[in-house]
Amino acid sequence: GAVVSQHPSWVICKSGTSVKIECRSLDFQATTMFWYRQFPKQSLMLMATSNEGSKATYEQGVEKDKFLINHASLTLSTLTVTSAHPEDSSFYICSARDLRQGEEGQFFGPGTRLTVL
Amino acid sequence: GENVEQHPSTLSVQEGDSAVIKCTYSDSASNYFPWYKQELGKRPQLIIDIRSNVGEKKDQRIAVTLNKTAKHFSLHITETQPEDSAVYFCAARAGFQKLVFGTGTRLLVSP
Repeated sequence: GAVVSQHPSWVICKSGTSVKIECRSLDFQATTMFWYRQFPKQSLMLMATSNEGSKATYEQGVEKDKFLINHASLTLSTLTVTSAHPEDSSFYICSARDLRQGEEGQFFGPGTRLTVL
Repeated sequence: GENVEQHPSTLSVQEGDSAVIKCTYSDSASNYFPWYKQELGKRPQLIIDIRSNVGEKKDQRIAVTLNKTAKHFSLHITETQPEDSAVYFCAARAGFQKLVFGTGTRLLVSP
């Protein structure tokens, strides 16, 4: 099956610093990647959708200047949390799809736990 | 946009019992309904999915039913085992649109 990896799996940073999270599709090309945020005991909330080579589409209420998304290739997307604050602490999960494969086939990465001190 | 509601939020059953989780969706254009199992601190894992042209699908102890008219779909787990304990999420998607998740059900299977 399709494999999506994320790096790092966890990160602790100081308030005010920036953190970059990488999402890679290992054995398929992802035309579309999704970034989710999940707070404890809550559902996955979509933050943004990115298509390879174009700007990401952010969900309402998500600050595009704070959560920078880059999807420069068909196998890599990055999420940079800029000037992180304790309220940004969460579990960030990426998901990838190859729309050329049809409607199904959305595969999730293992997630990155971000803790901002 | 699509809105997915999920019930119950928690479900406790004895090992061997059946468990049923129900979801409703709002967008009649939704045509793909996956179910995910998520263990603590891990990624959601697809356990079963159903398309709108099918009313029921079964895979061993897991089944999903879909009522397009009522915009309901349900997950049925039979002969539950302790390892079925996890959080289960339903989701709905219309074509190439985004996947919208339900609020999750925490299933606890007691030995």
